[in-house]
Amino acid sequence: ELKVEQNPLFLSMQEGKNYTIYCNYSTTSDRLYWYRQDPGKSLESLFVLLSNGAVKQEGRLMASLDTKARLSTLHITAAVHDLSATYFCAVLMYNFNKFYFGSGTKLNVKP
Amino acid sequence: ETGVTQSPTHLIKTRGQQVTLRCSSQSGHNTVSWYQQALGQGPQFIFQYYREEENGRGNFPPRFSGLQFPNYSSELNVNALELDDSALYLCASSRRQGTNEQFFGPGTRLTVL
Repeated sequence: ELKVEQNPLFLSMQEGKNYTIYCNYSTTSDRLYWYRQDPGKSLESLFVLLSNGAVKQEGRLMASLDTKARLSTLHITAAVHDLSATYFCAVLMYNFNKFYFGSGTKLNVKP
Repeated sequence: ETGVTQSPTHLIKTRGQQVTLRCSSQSGHNTVSWYQQALGQGPQFIFQYYREEENGRGNFPPRFSGLQFPNYSSELNVNALELDDSALYLCASSRRQGTNEQFFGPGTRLTVL
């Protein structure tokens, strides 16, 4: 079974700082997704990464995928309070139509 | 474009009862997946439906079952409810082809007493 590990699980940072969230997975896959979840809300799709070396950016967030290392990163640039949320990565085992989510990284950006 | 909708929003049941949760897919999407999200955890994949058939399943017992209808809407049925079934149940729809990007509904909060 595929394992997805995120770290850190909790992240408290000051506004204006940069940080990276890591997502490691245990089995070959070339489809990785990042989601954001606000408290009591559903999941919002942020990025879809479909190939080795894929990089996507939206505002202060940038996601990348290294399929050989089985690693994706979500980089936060100059954090603002509005980015406070829980961020999940998810990996698709394409041949089995199964999605596996990480445990999430709870981000708190302090003013 | 209509998003993914789920009903009901909240539900309270007692142990041993049965429950049915409903999901309407986003327009143009032909695949529906269901997830269980316990408090403070990531979503756990229950199963996926495509062309009205189960098309992938996570590690959930058979008392979790589903249906997909010709209009791509879906139901999740859980029999013999247990206390540990208390969770947020999320439905996600996607297109089978392409990126498989999933769009999530607002969820149903199930409490089992």
